[in-house]
Amino acid sequence: GAGVSQSPSNKVTEKGKDVELRCDPISGHTALYWYRQSLGQGLEFLIYFQGNSAPDKSGLPSDRFSAERTGGSVSTLTIQRTQQEDSAVYLCASSLDRGNYEQYFGPGTRLTVT
Amino acid sequence: GENVEQHPSTLSVQEGDSAVIKCTYSDSASNYFPWYKQELGKGPQLIIDIRSNVGEKKDQRIAVTLNKTAKHFSLHITETQPEDSAVYFCAAGDTGRRALTFGSGTRLQVQP
Repeated sequence: GAGVSQSPSNKVTEKGKDVELRCDPISGHTALYWYRQSLGQGLEFLIYFQGNSAPDKSGLPSDRFSAERTGGSVSTLTIQRTQQEDSAVYLCASSLDRGNYEQYFGPGTRLTVT
Repeated sequence: GENVEQHPSTLSVQEGDSAVIKCTYSDSASNYFPWYKQELGKGPQLIIDIRSNVGEKKDQRIAVTLNKTAKHFSLHITETQPEDSAVYFCAAGDTGRRALTFGSGTRLQVQP
């Protein structure tokens, strides 16, 4: 079946602009995660959604970052007033449910802030 | 919080040789340990995982071992092939902390 999809695949923006990144999880997966991967680094957790529960926002680096998940499916990660240090690959993953740990990743969105 | 350390950062082997990547973790509550393979320009792909109630798991040429007492786990790839060349990440998670904590990655290069 279809995997996790993300759009856009690449985004170049000017410092100070807002950006929105989109994630479509695997159909039927109730858990959705956002991670950030800086150049040559590991993955850094940002935010986690599980069904209708309040999201776990403990990984968001600043209040410029926010995310929402509409209808328990598609998620949007928004970065306001982008800074150069926000440049990274933003990865989305989904898993079947809270008792199932296997996370499946999308291809990521490469964000470049100039 | 959890801290995962991964070694080595780079690994070069000859085709047909074995490759071993090691990770240590700090949180004794962690009970799920996946390994991901990431090729250039792609998202991480889950290749194998192990849970804390088993010590070893194999899937064809890859195997993962877990030592909960020592808090370390390892990925073993036998009979390496050029297509195994990629960056490999280990991670740790538990039932209370849904998000995974990742190691810093190992760049594996298999020389033909």
